[in-house]
Amino acid sequence: NAGVTQTPKFQVLKTGQSMTLQCAQDMNHNSMYWYRQDPGMGLRLIYYSASEGTTDKGEVPNGYNVSRLNKREFSLRLESAAPSQTSVYFCASSLGRTSGGQDEQFFGPGTRLTVL
Amino acid sequence: GEDVEQSLFLSVREGDSSVINCTYTDSSSTYLYWYKQEPGAGLQLLTYIFSNMDMKQDQRLTVLLNKKDKHLSLRIADTQTGDSAIYFCAQFSGGYQKVTFGIGTKLQVIP
Repeated sequence: NAGVTQTPKFQVLKTGQSMTLQCAQDMNHNSMYWYRQDPGMGLRLIYYSASEGTTDKGEVPNGYNVSRLNKREFSLRLESAAPSQTSVYFCASSLGRTSGGQDEQFFGPGTRLTVL
Repeated sequence: GEDVEQSLFLSVREGDSSVINCTYTDSSSTYLYWYKQEPGAGLQLLTYIFSNMDMKQDQRLTVLLNKKDKHLSLRIADTQTGDSAIYFCAQFSGGYQKVTFGIGTKLQVIP
């Protein structure tokens, strides 16, 4: 099992460019998440998908869109990148709250994005 | 609210015990977690504790939960250089149905 995979690993964009960050999991998890990690700010939730076919805003959704393409894949799109979106982006997945238990989140290796 | 607070940095000598502290706000939290992030990698669950427990021990790790003060701690016995990482405290907020992470404590182990 590969777990949670993310592409690309690194990306440099110019202000105003668009791009899509890809995420896939092979653990048959129901829930998927996108976070951004910034120095001194910790991990902040951008969007999440509790189950296939649903998406919800997290703490910092402005400037982003998501698509839960199927159960495996959850993509994050920046339509018009801004320097404030320079960050490390993590995708995560979990079985989901309805499965009971402690619902451990499994994280991908991250995408390091720089917007000039 | 569902804030989680933790100190930014801790430095210990190899072989000593490390204690990383965290405070949380949601008294209805059912699970509290400790995640570990090694350099250049994503977070990985280290351990967790259910809210009806006061303590949980797992090899070198001891988690203590004080529900009255909403305080969580992670003790690492015999700290090794491989324990150098960022440690995140997190709570599951039943009211908000989501997990909230702290900003992370960077543990530096001095050989």
